[in-house]
Amino acid sequence: EVQLLESGGGLVQPGGSLRLSCVASRFIFNVYAMTWVRQAPGKGLEWVSIISDSGATTFYADSVKGRFTISRDNSKNTLYLQMSGLRADDTAVYYCAKAGYGNYPDYWGQGTLVTVSS
Amino acid sequence: SDELTQPPSVSVSPGQTARITCSGDAMSRKYAYWYQQKSGQAPVLVIFEDRKRPSGIPERFSGSSSGTMATLTISEAQVEDEADYYCFSTDTSDNHSGVFGRGTKLTVL
Repeated sequence: EVQLLESGGGLVQPGGSLRLSCVASRFIFNVYAMTWVRQAPGKGLEWVSIISDSGATTFYADSVKGRFTISRDNSKNTLYLQMSGLRADDTAVYYCAKAGYGNYPDYWGQGTLVTVSS
Repeated sequence: SDELTQPPSVSVSPGQTARITCSGDAMSRKYAYWYQQKSGQAPVLVIFEDRKRPSGIPERFSGSSSGTMATLTISEAQVEDEADYYCFSTDTSDNHSGVFGRGTKLTVL
């Protein structure tokens, strides 16, 4: 069974930065795209970003474009999300998800909570 | 970017059939995917490519799509099916970005 373990969440002040990590196991990491999806407290799911299997291609939601950077280290089976210029409306649980062929999230981690507050 | 519209809530009695719809222009050109999210848990994929069921998902979950609407059907709904359900599709503008519907709260009681 695919395993995804996120870390790096926490409390950060508005305008601050944070890097999330997601360690993947039990599948061949470097042949699948990976995604980040977030969920604000009490709200629905919001697609954030996707990165190709090689890391060469990335896409972002308009709400995070220019502030967030997705990356991966295939030698470490690890996905990252570098977040900067954080705002209160970035407060959410951030889920790492493996992408199935067709770029949809098929397996999800348990999420890590990011709280942006002074 | 594309938008997907879902009803905020659906309510059925145990044993009845629940139908949750997802509408939007993307549905006529892209596959629909459906996720179940129970309170405090991560989402779980229950339908992919409009109508396919991942291994381990009960047969009572089925999907269909026609025109600009996709439908998740839960036959003989059980109390344990009570959850939030989200549809998803890739954006028609680039085939990589994704979009979720706002979610439907299914109540079974």
